[in-house]
Amino acid sequence: AQTVTQSQPEMSVQEAETVTLSCTYDTSESDYYLFWYKQPPSRQMILVIRQEAYKQQNATENRFSVNFQKAAKSFSLKISDSQLGDAAMYFCAYRRGTGANNLFFGTGTRLTVIP
Amino acid sequence: DAGITQSPRYKITETGRQVTLMCHQTWSHSYMFWYRQDLGHGLRLIYYSAAADITDKGEVPDGYVVSRSKTENFPLTLESATRSQTSVYFCASSVPGALNTEAFFGQGTRLTVV
Repeated sequence: AQTVTQSQPEMSVQEAETVTLSCTYDTSESDYYLFWYKQPPSRQMILVIRQEAYKQQNATENRFSVNFQKAAKSFSLKISDSQLGDAAMYFCAYRRGTGANNLFFGTGTRLTVIP
Repeated sequence: DAGITQSPRYKITETGRQVTLMCHQTWSHSYMFWYRQDLGHGLRLIYYSAAADITDKGEVPDGYVVSRSKTENFPLTLESATRSQTSVYFCASSVPGALNTEAFFGQGTRLTVV
């Protein structure tokens, strides 16, 4: 079974600084997708960024980027120029490339942004 | 409105009662899912459906029942609610294959069983 591990239950960052959230996963498959979801206090699950395992290039979305290390099964999220609105719970998630579309989630990292 | 909606947003029920959480999506996505979110566990899959009339168990299906008679609806029923089913429940939908890998989530239902 796929497992996703987020070893940092809580992180904090100063506004305008950079923070990196860690995620590792375990799989025997070669085709899969990885995601970071943001959950603000509103509870809404918001997709931040996705990475296809077959792509070597790390995904980037504005201030958000990932460091995808396939051999190490590591998928960290870097948030640059942190803003107060980035404060939220962040979940790393895995999806198989074939078969059922369900996501396997990590336990989450709560990010606090300090003004 | 287009999207995926859950109802109710909040629900308090008593132990032993049956309760149904509703989920409706307007995109005609073939896949629909129910997850529960608990502290220390992240989101865990309860049941999913690949199409109308096709459902399958996820990681934590005990005590839950689902049905999918129409593509757009995927209700989740707790047949006899227990305190351990106090949680936040999320419905989600997606399309199969690699063209669009994103799952879209409803706003969640906070269920309290007293």
